[in-house]
Amino acid sequence: GQNIDQPTEMTATEGAIVQINCTYQTSGFNGLFWYQQHAGEAPTFLSYNVLDGLEEKGRFSSFLSRSKGYSYLLLKELQMKDSASYLCAVLDSNYQLIWGAGTKLIIKP
Amino acid sequence: GAVVSQHPSWVICKSGTSVKIECRSLDFQATTMFWYRQFPKQSLMLMATSNEGSKATYEQGVEKDKFLINHASLTLSTLTVTSAHPEDSSFYICSAAGTGDLETQYFGPGTRLLVL
Repeated sequence: GQNIDQPTEMTATEGAIVQINCTYQTSGFNGLFWYQQHAGEAPTFLSYNVLDGLEEKGRFSSFLSRSKGYSYLLLKELQMKDSASYLCAVLDSNYQLIWGAGTKLIIKP
Repeated sequence: GAVVSQHPSWVICKSGTSVKIECRSLDFQATTMFWYRQFPKQSLMLMATSNEGSKATYEQGVEKDKFLINHASLTLSTLTVTSAHPEDSSFYICSAAGTGDLETQYFGPGTRLLVL
């Protein structure tokens, strides 16, 4: 079966750095997405990785290792507004998104 | 960037009534649209995939006669929840992908349905 694993909840301090991990087992792979979702809102796109390596975009970076079925989202200089759920999703061979359950990130002052 | 709208954003209805939710791609042609449902504190669950002009493909466990999907044009897809019950109360989100760009799904803002 297809499976996406990520931690349920993480807590970090404002101004710090946090890494959210995601491991996956899917039928085929056409890329991995990270989305941010605030409570009561739809997900918003953060990053897309299809090749191995690190993609940096401002305070957010995303890493992919296809051989290990592993990705992480790195958030630097955390701000209170970064408190949200972070969803890892893999595009499978049928171009369907397989979603992880999301990681709720709590930022403390 | 590409914009997807949903209407209504909120709907409250009585049990047994039907509710229609619209999903529109405003500035691009959406060959494929996806309908998701999300219960509180859970991830998105794909309900169905629809391609313009053809019947929707439903995920296992999703009743196609209860959740009617119509994708009649390249900019509009509708989801009708027929004979809604309280357990259908959820957050319904659509996303759209353009022609030759299936890697990128643009999400609508979601529709929150409450069935009393």
